[in-house]
Amino acid sequence: DTGVSQDPRHKITKRGQNVTFRCDPISEHNRLYWYRQTLGQGPEFLTYFQNEAQLEKSRLLSDRFSAERPKGSFSTLEIQRTEQGDSAMYLCASSLYGRGGTNEKLFFGSGTQLSVL
Amino acid sequence: ILNVEQSPQSLHVQEGDSTNFTCSFPSSNFYALHWYRWETAKSPEALFVMTLNGDEKKKGRISATLNTKEGYSYLYIKGSQPEDSATYLCASRQCSGNTGKLIFGQGTTLQVKP
Repeated sequence: DTGVSQDPRHKITKRGQNVTFRCDPISEHNRLYWYRQTLGQGPEFLTYFQNEAQLEKSRLLSDRFSAERPKGSFSTLEIQRTEQGDSAMYLCASSLYGRGGTNEKLFFGSGTQLSVL
Repeated sequence: ILNVEQSPQSLHVQEGDSTNFTCSFPSSNFYALHWYRWETAKSPEALFVMTLNGDEKKKGRISATLNTKEGYSYLYIKGSQPEDSATYLCASRQCSGNTGKLIFGQGTTLQVKP
């Protein structure tokens, strides 16, 4: 078990380009979360999956953001037509959720740092 | 809209000092309160998950308390060491609707000087 891995670690792109990030969760974990973090702020919720189902997506997200988790394993987060305001650290986390799972804790990846020029 | 607030925003202490941080969260529909430690160049790491009012948890020199009725949690570090330097995040989960969304505070950054 190598933990949660994210790829790439860093991404520099020009405004208007599309970018895609990948997250590989801990293998037995059924939940996968995406968060965005900017300097001086805590992680901001974007979306989460339970297995392959996307259960919630932040209303703060525009339609330029989309996430998938085919087959309930790895997940991808795509940002279309990037804007300078999208520059942030994108964090992925996974967890094992069960019935009555009040003690579920998140395991985070190292994040993908996006810079939009 | 949930608001999770942490104070102070940053803290500088000397090695050996004891310190504490505050996390306030909405008390209605409370489900769970998480504390995470985020060291520079590493991933956030879970410290505690707390669910019961009056709960106290301890991990080495770090402990946390929970008051769900008034909506706050304290994190204590006894005898701070330089390796405790990190950003400490709390996060709240409500039980209205689905229980998946974990809302984070902005964090408290601790710097321990040798």
